[in-house]
Amino acid sequence: GENVEQHPSTLSVQEGDSAVIKCTYSDSASNYFPWYKQELGKRPQLIIDIRSNVGEKKDQRIAVTLNKTAKHFSLHITETQPEDSAVYFCAALRSGYSTLTFGKGTMLLVSP
Amino acid sequence: NAGVMQNPRHLVRRRGQEARLRCSPMKGHSHVYWYRQLPEEGLKFMVYLQKENIIDESGMPKERFSAEFPKEGPSILRIQQVVRGDSAAYFCASDEGGGYGYTFGSGTRLTVV
Repeated sequence: GENVEQHPSTLSVQEGDSAVIKCTYSDSASNYFPWYKQELGKRPQLIIDIRSNVGEKKDQRIAVTLNKTAKHFSLHITETQPEDSAVYFCAALRSGYSTLTFGKGTMLLVSP
Repeated sequence: NAGVMQNPRHLVRRRGQEARLRCSPMKGHSHVYWYRQLPEEGLKFMVYLQKENIIDESGMPKERFSAEFPKEGPSILRIQQVVRGDSAAYFCASDEGGGYGYTFGSGTRLTVV
C-alpha cells in the first residue's frame, strides 16, 4: 500500500516568514496530492491540491510543488499570519483507488 | 448545502458498551470514508462505503468494529464492547467517487471511561 511521510512534525515561525512542509510518498502510481488544514477542534479542510501532470500550483499565499521522480511534494506558505496556525496534513491517492493515505501532520505555529 | 453531518459530536461510553457514530454525506455524494484520528498519528483510514456496499474495509479492526451505509439514512460506524484504546476522534468524509477532494464532517470525539 501507499505510505506517506511528513516533516517536520512541528514548525514555529514568526509572522511574515515563510513556512515549508515536506512529504514523501512510496507508490509511484499515486497521482493526486491534496493538503488539508485542521484548526484545533475543527474538521480537516482542503486548502490546495495537485495532480501528477503538474509540477506546481499556486493560490494566493500558498503553493504546492511536486517532484514525481523523487516522489515528494511540498507545501509553501508565504507571509504567514497567526491565523495560519493549525495542523497541516498531506495526502496521496493511488491511481485506481479512492482512499487517501495521510501523513501524520505538521503543527504550524505562527507567532505575532 | 449542509455539508457532511456527523453526530454526535461528543460521545462518552463506559468500557464494554457499544458506540454508534453516524455520518450523512453531502448532498450529491454517494461515497463515504471513515478515518480515525489519534494525537500525533494523523488520519488513519478505516473503511470506504457506497450505498449498501462496503468497498474497502482494510483499515478496520476485524473484531468489534463494523460499518454500514444503508439505502436510506446515514452511514453508521459501530464499535462493540468499547475499550479505552478506542478513545479517539472519528471523522467521516464524502465525495462523488474517485477520492478527489474529500469533504470532511466535524467528527465524533469518543471517550471511553
